[in-house]
Amino acid sequence: GENVEQHPSTLSVQEGDSAVIKCTYSDSASNYFPWYKQELGKGPQLIIDIRSNVGEKKDQRIAVTLNKTAKHFSLHITETQPEDSAVYFCAAAKTSGGSYIPTFGRGTSLIVHP
Amino acid sequence: DSGVTQTPKHLITATGQRVTLRCSPRSGDLSVYWYQQSLDQGLQFLIHYYNGEERAKGNILERFSAQQFPDLHSELNLSSLELGDSALYFCASGNYYTFGSGTRLTVV
Repeated sequence: GENVEQHPSTLSVQEGDSAVIKCTYSDSASNYFPWYKQELGKGPQLIIDIRSNVGEKKDQRIAVTLNKTAKHFSLHITETQPEDSAVYFCAAAKTSGGSYIPTFGRGTSLIVHP
Repeated sequence: DSGVTQTPKHLITATGQRVTLRCSPRSGDLSVYWYQQSLDQGLQFLIHYYNGEERAKGNILERFSAQQFPDLHSELNLSSLELGDSALYFCASGNYYTFGSGTRLTVV
């Protein structure tokens, strides 16, 4: 089955700095890569996703990149703010008939210091 | 509020007991997914239901079972509970996995 590795497990940055979280996946058939943000006491929330036919996607201060050859994808957050502090999960999935079951990475705890 | 409702929010029970966790999906969502989140295992997929039918099973123990009812709410039943079953249990609904706030289960 799919295996998703995520690094680092903890990331501490100063407000205004950039943060980068990296993931690798094992199944070359995976074609959908969502990222989730989990705040304390809440469930994970989808923040951005990318499909295998796209190399990069941006939404305001967050961007994701995908390298299919290396089976590697990353989340980039620019101009970090204290409210970005949360646990971030990457995931990989094979979409089939509109449904999919993502395999999640172990999560990165991002701490943004004011 | 994500629109996915999970009850109860917290549950403390003894080993060997049985509990039922409830999930109401977002209005219009036919799919419900159950996940277990623990510190050592991360987010683990348990089971997927679509419009009342089981569609996929993950790392779900035989002591655990689930169902989805005609009104689309779902219940996850955990029996013969062990200390290691202590975790956060999430359900998600819809194609883009809208998660509820979870049920924190503590087995003592």
